[in-house]
Amino acid sequence: KAGVTQTPRYLIKTRGQQVTLSCSPISGHRSVSWYQQTPGQGLQFLFEYFSETQRNKGNFPGRFSGRQFSNSRSEMNVSTLELGDSALYLCASSRSSGGTNNEQFFGPGTRLTVL
Amino acid sequence: AQSVAQPEDQVNVAEGNPLTVKCTYSVSGNPYLFWYVQYPNRGLQFLLKYITGDNLVKGSYGFEAEFNKSQTSFHLKKPSALVSDSALYFCAVRDRSTNAGKSTFGDGTTLTVKP
Repeated sequence: KAGVTQTPRYLIKTRGQQVTLSCSPISGHRSVSWYQQTPGQGLQFLFEYFSETQRNKGNFPGRFSGRQFSNSRSEMNVSTLELGDSALYLCASSRSSGGTNNEQFFGPGTRLTVL
Repeated sequence: AQSVAQPEDQVNVAEGNPLTVKCTYSVSGNPYLFWYVQYPNRGLQFLLKYITGDNLVKGSYGFEAEFNKSQTSFHLKKPSALVSDSALYFCAVRDRSTNAGKSTFGDGTTLTVKP
């Protein structure tokens, strides 16, 4: 079974630009969550989508947004990029949003560098 | 609110010796608890989880973790460490009443196993 895939793996942007990251969950998984990982802040929860609906949102500004499609694939968008947005963005999928089948399987991440 | 503490930034052990990576948690209700491992330039990999029942949980690669409700701890253990176990380890907690994506991760513990 294929794992979680994220594209692109690496991205370099300049301040003020916007970026879209993509995540394809494991087949059959309907929950997709996004995290930002930085050396100083660790793993910070961005948002979770389940059945095309945002179920939870972390404490990030409105520049960070996401969506989920009917095939469970998800995208996140960051507008007006800032230097501090440089991070590894991780996508994780799980079979369910609640219940016991809730361990998350992570993709390799997208390394975003903002210059 | 839920939180996780990994009190040690770094754990060093010799190959063949037992290892322990500590984790304590705080949730308002009953917890789901997880351990993940991250190798350089990779996403997180699920190791094991505690849902309910037996306090000793066995996971991948010979790892196990002991749930202790009174001490609100979920320490990761392995009887005999391997050099290949060297990686960054994350503990995560989720209140059973919340959704999968709303897991809170610790700051991570870097495990170094020396030959």
